[in-house]
Amino acid sequence: GDSVTQMEGPVTLSEEAFLTINCTYTATGYPSLFWYVQYPGEGLQLLLKATKADDKGSNKGFEATYRKETTSFHLEKGSVQVSDSAVYFCALRGRTGGFKTIFGAGTRLFVKA
Amino acid sequence: SAVISQKPSRDICQRGTSLTIQCQVDSQVTMMFWYRQQPGQSLTLIATANQGSEATYESGFVIDKFPISRPNLTFSTLTVSNMSPEDSSIYLCSVDSGERTYNEQFFGPGTRLTVL
Repeated sequence: GDSVTQMEGPVTLSEEAFLTINCTYTATGYPSLFWYVQYPGEGLQLLLKATKADDKGSNKGFEATYRKETTSFHLEKGSVQVSDSAVYFCALRGRTGGFKTIFGAGTRLFVKA
Repeated sequence: SAVISQKPSRDICQRGTSLTIQCQVDSQVTMMFWYRQQPGQSLTLIATANQGSEATYESGFVIDKFPISRPNLTFSTLTVSNMSPEDSSIYLCSVDSGERTYNEQFFGPGTRLTVL
């Protein structure tokens, strides 16, 4: 069945450091791919998405590119801020998963001032 | 985008009791989803609730333990019955952002449940 694998956390960075959170997926066909973010004490909110191969999703300085050849959707940000401290979930949604959203395990990011 | 509210935001309950969580959406939606997020874990889908029909439960979740109501297109409740400490989790309500099945989802703020 469909699955999402993302790098384990926690990830601890200093402010203005470069961020990469790796995400790979297994699915048949062309699922939509998402990154959701969960700030402390809150629900999830969509950070960015891509719906077809080679699409780049971007928001708030974060980017991720849908790579069909490597089945990856890595999240990057050039310069993190303390306010980016949160849990990040990679997710997919596609036909073979019955259109249910499949979430990765989540990666907790701590950004130090 | 849809705005979702949940009540209560948190609760501490005794073993053996039940808690009903309410989810209110500011627009009409076809499907509503209920998730559980155990401490430090990812989200697990409990069930999908359609208005006018019984909820569809995922493997490992049963109606007797997690009864769901969906009386109209903007509201749903999830009851956690006969609670044990293992039910301590965040419970999240969610809806699709549109009618297309590949869309992203909107989430409520969650209900943080602690069972003693």
